[in-house]
Amino acid sequence: ETGVTQTPRHLVMGMTNKKSLKCEQHLGHNAMYWYKQSAKKPLELMFVYSLEERVENNSVPSRFSPECPNSSHLFLHLHTLQPEDSALYLCASSREVRGTDTQYFGPGTRLTVL
Amino acid sequence: QKEVEQNSGPLSVPEGAIASLNCTYSDRGSQSFFWYRQYSGKSPELIMSIYSNGDKEDGRFTAQLNKASQYVSLLIRDSQPSDSATYLCAAASGGYTKLIFGAGTRLAVHP
Repeated sequence: ETGVTQTPRHLVMGMTNKKSLKCEQHLGHNAMYWYKQSAKKPLELMFVYSLEERVENNSVPSRFSPECPNSSHLFLHLHTLQPEDSALYLCASSREVRGTDTQYFGPGTRLTVL
Repeated sequence: QKEVEQNSGPLSVPEGAIASLNCTYSDRGSQSFFWYRQYSGKSPELIMSIYSNGDKEDGRFTAQLNKASQYVSLLIRDSQPSDSATYLCAAASGGYTKLIFGAGTRLAVHP
């Protein structure tokens, strides 16, 4: 595996379900990110991790819970979501959390909340 | 509120022409700028990054940055139908890589 991988690629869940999104980066990077992309809206940064420490929580509702057990893995735990949470969830990584460092994106998880 | 603005398009250009994509940003402290290409249903992929005023060329792509005018552009020479995608402009503000994205410009290159 190379680059940034995400699983599952597609997820349909009910509002009472609990599910998790997984991201893994194979680039040796120290920073990882979760973004939300809704139709016709800019990418929204959700969380930033640097060396497993959360450095940014962008006013995200508590029904989204991130976890970063090590610098290669990032999870997004989902519970009691709303239909408006349906979106493409993208994971990204960069060498460090620095303004000049390029972020590389995974393929995304297309989430549908019924 | 830090913002990055892009014309949503679609920008339609004939094959072989130059496509010009524009972006403005509100935060004067922004230091790094990125252009990503996103095909429908796919994730963004980096086209170019630019950090200094002026032009930066990479193959058919040229990024231009004017910090005084808070303006970034991407020129695509000899446009191909495979260039048809949404192009996202992003600016990094602050001391770390917090990217602010524009909503993207959809480019359509027709044969």
